[in-house]
Amino acid sequence: DIQMTQSPSSLSASVGDRVTITCRASQSITSFLNWYQQKPGKAPKLLIYAASSLQSGVPSRFSGSGSGTDFSLTISSLQPEDFATYYCQQSYRTPRTFGQGTKVEIK
Amino acid sequence: EVQLVDSGGGLVQPGGSLRLSCAASGFTFSTYSMNWVRQAPGKGLEWVSYISDSSSTIYYADSVKGRFTTSRDNAKNSLYLQMNSLRAEDTAVYYCAREWVPAGMKSFVFDYWGQGTLVTVSS
Repeated sequence: DIQMTQSPSSLSASVGDRVTITCRASQSITSFLNWYQQKPGKAPKLLIYAASSLQSGVPSRFSGSGSGTDFSLTISSLQPEDFATYYCQQSYRTPRTFGQGTKVEIK
Repeated sequence: EVQLVDSGGGLVQPGGSLRLSCAASGFTFSTYSMNWVRQAPGKGLEWVSYISDSSSTIYYADSVKGRFTTSRDNAKNSLYLQMNSLRAEDTAVYYCAREWVPAGMKSFVFDYWGQGTLVTVSS
């Protein structure tokens, strides 16, 4: 199975900060990497697919990059509604594994 | 509007069974593959199962293989998860998720999710 490791597990940031979350795959997954946002008590929401493609309706302050084994999600200017947990997911091979999540909290 | 509505969760004793349902609307259900994903309390997301649009291909996570069965009824726009021999570690919120393959890409994403249904396995 392909293991996905996110870092950090949690972070504290202020509104307006630039935030970067990284995700590393245990083997190359080319660009088959997706990012989801989850708020407490809610279902996950798709943000980014194929490493860098922004899902329709997602604000442009979110961006993704990377290929091979190393990927990142960047929020250019953190907004109050962005405080949530973020998950990466590889779509290269079944089982369709997720990272363990990164919780973004208010500083 | 695409909608996925999960139902069927509840409290069940270890060793028991439960059947979850996911009712789909707002899209042509029969043309999309579907997935089940679960989340234990306070934990991350765990993929559980995949079923192709025609039910010809079904995959399971090792943690549920041999105990869970995924099926669908395209005439009823519904997805199901039959869970047998339930264990305490199966306690989680279970989500159905639609699988979308972006145009021109070989990759897939889970673009719509149900609201989730809680399964608690406890005596």
